[in-house]
Amino acid sequence: GAVVSQHPSWVICKSGTSVKIECRSLDFQATTMFWYRQFPKQSLMLMATSNEGSKATYEQGVEKDKFLINHASLTLSTLTVTSAHPEDSSFYICSGETGASYEQYFGPGTRLTVT
Amino acid sequence: AQSVTQLGSHVSVSEGALVLLRCNYSSSVPPYLFWYVQYPNQGLQLLLKYTTGATLVKGINGFEAEFKKSETSFHLTKPSAHMSDAAEYFCAVSERDDKIIFGKGTRLHILP
Repeated sequence: GAVVSQHPSWVICKSGTSVKIECRSLDFQATTMFWYRQFPKQSLMLMATSNEGSKATYEQGVEKDKFLINHASLTLSTLTVTSAHPEDSSFYICSGETGASYEQYFGPGTRLTVT
Repeated sequence: AQSVTQLGSHVSVSEGALVLLRCNYSSSVPPYLFWYVQYPNQGLQLLLKYTTGATLVKGINGFEAEFKKSETSFHLTKPSAHMSDAAEYFCAVSERDDKIIFGKGTRLHILP
């Protein structure tokens, strides 16, 4: 149980365009979802926390106007990278939490490459 | 604020040998502690977690970890390494709230 999916698994986009990444909890309701960014050979850095129906809480240094997060339902959160630049190329991972415990269930990640 | 330190960004062990990945944490409250494994280009898979109760925690794939409050440690062990254990391992801590803070990771190499 507790499966999280991400779509797409990888995406290549041109500089200046926007790209949307979906995160879905397939068999549970995620009251809270998290978005992480992982640079090559580095750890996961929390970007933002979102609760269903509320605005996301962004970590210090993360541009909320660039990384738009929507948590419209208990099973879906989206991350939109707006006006992407090559430095936004990274591995983006989402996770969901049920609220019954503090355990997060992670998606398989999305590899974004901006050319 | 909580933090995690993983000693050794790379660890190499021979197949069949003991695996020991070190993790020390700091936390202002009794923490929740986690070990995750990440295979290339994949997300994270939970190996085991400590919340309360027994300090020796057994996880999947033969891994276990022991919470030692006096040493602020949560080292991960496996008695006998297998080639399939080669991966990146992350220790993480949570102060019983929503946030999980990850260590920098340790890449485990298994030598034939």
